[in-house]
This record gives sequence, structure tokens and C-alpha cells, in this order.
Amino acid sequence: TQLLEQSPQFLSIQEGENLTVYCNSSSVFSSLQWYRQEPGEGPVLLVTVVTGGEVKKLKRLTFQFGDARKDSSLHITAAQTGDTGLYLCAGGRNTDDYKLSFGAGTTVTVRA
Amino acid sequence: DVKVTQSSRYLVKRTGEKVFLECVQDMDHENMFWYRQDPGLGLRLIYFSYDVKMKEKGDIPEGYSVSREKKERFSLILESASTNQTSMYLCASSLYWGRATDTQYFGPGTRLTVL
Repeated sequence: TQLLEQSPQFLSIQEGENLTVYCNSSSVFSSLQWYRQEPGEGPVLLVTVVTGGEVKKLKRLTFQFGDARKDSSLHITAAQTGDTGLYLCAGGRNTDDYKLSFGAGTTVTVRA
Repeated sequence: DVKVTQSSRYLVKRTGEKVFLECVQDMDHENMFWYRQDPGLGLRLIYFSYDVKMKEKGDIPEGYSVSREKKERFSLILESASTNQTSMYLCASSLYWGRATDTQYFGPGTRLTVL
């Protein structure tokens, strides 16, 4: 059983559309990270959020950490083909613990 | 830029063989990790090393061992490969110890198939 559940599992959209990916848990996390993994490559960190209710923006990507620190979302505005990839959320249960719990990921395909 | 390299992108081995996966990072990072990535399961931590010759078991260490003789190099060893170890193996490194908020830098992965 995954500690972090991501939805949807797969998402295919047209270039220019918006999308939202969700990461949910019944557990509280001290921090949450989002990674993007492109085919044939390792994951690359996009953002780290640590405060409940925190919103961070990275160009067309908006990340939100839930008030209760049990969930997070990633919203992409006007998706581009370069946004195609596997999006992974990873949560840290304790501030002083290096261990991360990863979700299974959402595969996003942006069609030209 | 941090660079994490893995010795092979693809590897095919037979059941019972001893398998070595090598990982090298060039940024003098203290910490190195080995994960396996399987569809529907995400990344699962196999082993973590926070210094030369120092290691900690992750969530799924059974059937694996590790070696870190030099700071920049972290090896994953499958003593006797089995078909259920067919997977994508990812190595990562990070600068600080004991912080889940630290950035982990990943290598490109080794896709291992055990026949």
C-alpha cells in the first residue's frame, strides 16, 4: 500500500490545455517534493514545500501543499510538449529523517 | 551542475549471477542512495550511505548489499540475482544528512533484466 496516492495514473492532453495532478495521504508529512522524470532519465526535483497551505509557482507550474500537510497538487497552465513526463511526489515524514516516501507517479503526455 | 552517472543503462543477467551496479557522483556529496523503481510502486529505497563505509538499510534491502569505499562511488550488489529483481535501479546523491527537504540528484538509471 502506497503511503502517497497519486491521481490520475495517466493523463493525456492537448498542448495549451491545463492539467492538475494530485498527491494524497492519510498521514501528515513535514515536507513534500515534486519531481519530474523524462523517459530514459532519472527524476529531477521541481519544488519542495514545507508549510501547510503553501503555494509555490515555477513559471507555468503551481504547487500547493494542503493546510493539514496530508496532500498536495501540481497544476500546469497552458501545457507544452516539453511538460511530458512522469510526475512523482515524495513526502518526508520527519524533519530530521532523510527518508522519502514516493508516490507511484502520474504519467503526463502532452500532444502537439 | 551535479552529475550522477551509472555504469550501465541496460543490463541482462541470468538467475544466480552476482551483479554489480556502479554509481559515481562528482559533487563531493556526503549521501548516496540506491532505489528501485517499478510500475505502480514508485521508488523504493534499498540502501542509504552517509559516509565512506557507512550504510543504512532502506525499506527493501533483502537480496542486496552495498559498498562505499570512496566518497564518490556507491555500488549495489545483487549476490545471487533472481527474476523478481528485474527492475529499474536509480542511484541518487544529496549534500546534507538527515534532511528530507534536501535535493536528491538522480542518475539516469540502470534497467536490469534477470532471465
